[in-house]
Amino acid sequence: SQQGEEDPQALSIQEGENATMNCSYKTSINNLQWYRQNSGRGLVHLILIRSNEREKHSGRLRVTLDTSKKSSSLLITASRAADTASYFCATDVWGSNYKLTFGKGTLLTVNP
Amino acid sequence: SQTIHQWPATLVQPVGSPLSLECTVEGTSNPNLYWYRQAAGRGLQLLFYSVGIGQISSEVPQNLSASRPQDRQFILSSKKLLLSDSGFYLCAWGRRDQPQHFGDGTRLSIL
Repeated sequence: SQQGEEDPQALSIQEGENATMNCSYKTSINNLQWYRQNSGRGLVHLILIRSNEREKHSGRLRVTLDTSKKSSSLLITASRAADTASYFCATDVWGSNYKLTFGKGTLLTVNP
Repeated sequence: SQTIHQWPATLVQPVGSPLSLECTVEGTSNPNLYWYRQAAGRGLQLLFYSVGIGQISSEVPQNLSASRPQDRQFILSSKKLLLSDSGFYLCAWGRRDQPQHFGDGTRLSIL
């Protein structure tokens, strides 16, 4: 079964706007990661946030983690057309050999 | 720096034919290795993972098998492909508590 579920499934915005994607999960986690996938390509790692962290930043990306609500959000500020891609959250749980469980992803379209 | 190679990029195979997809990692040793499958518009499903040579764990019952004959080589195989084996196959490597790094994937179509 899916551990992570992203919301919304699809998001369309204009260049320069902010994009927020959410991820909910079911069981206690060790880490939560966000990945990006351009159409037909492999996944690229964006940010890893540990269960004892609440917020991380990387350039125009901001990730929050609320373990009490079992949820995370990815914010992309000042979006660009090149940000168009699918975004996935992935979780691993303690004792799982760091196996990742992925959500179904959010397809972000940034219109120029 | 570490790199991961996956081939072929695209493969069209008839039902009942065998399969061999290869993944190799460079620039690191003793990585954890993973095979995922992605159906259209879906997330990734973990198929196999390996923590060392000859050590394979299967996550879902299926028509596929995996092998790790060398430290940095991971092979996905099938003796007889089914239509349901179509999909996008991704190999990844990772280390304890660190992000996974993905290859560019193989698009497999079964006719």
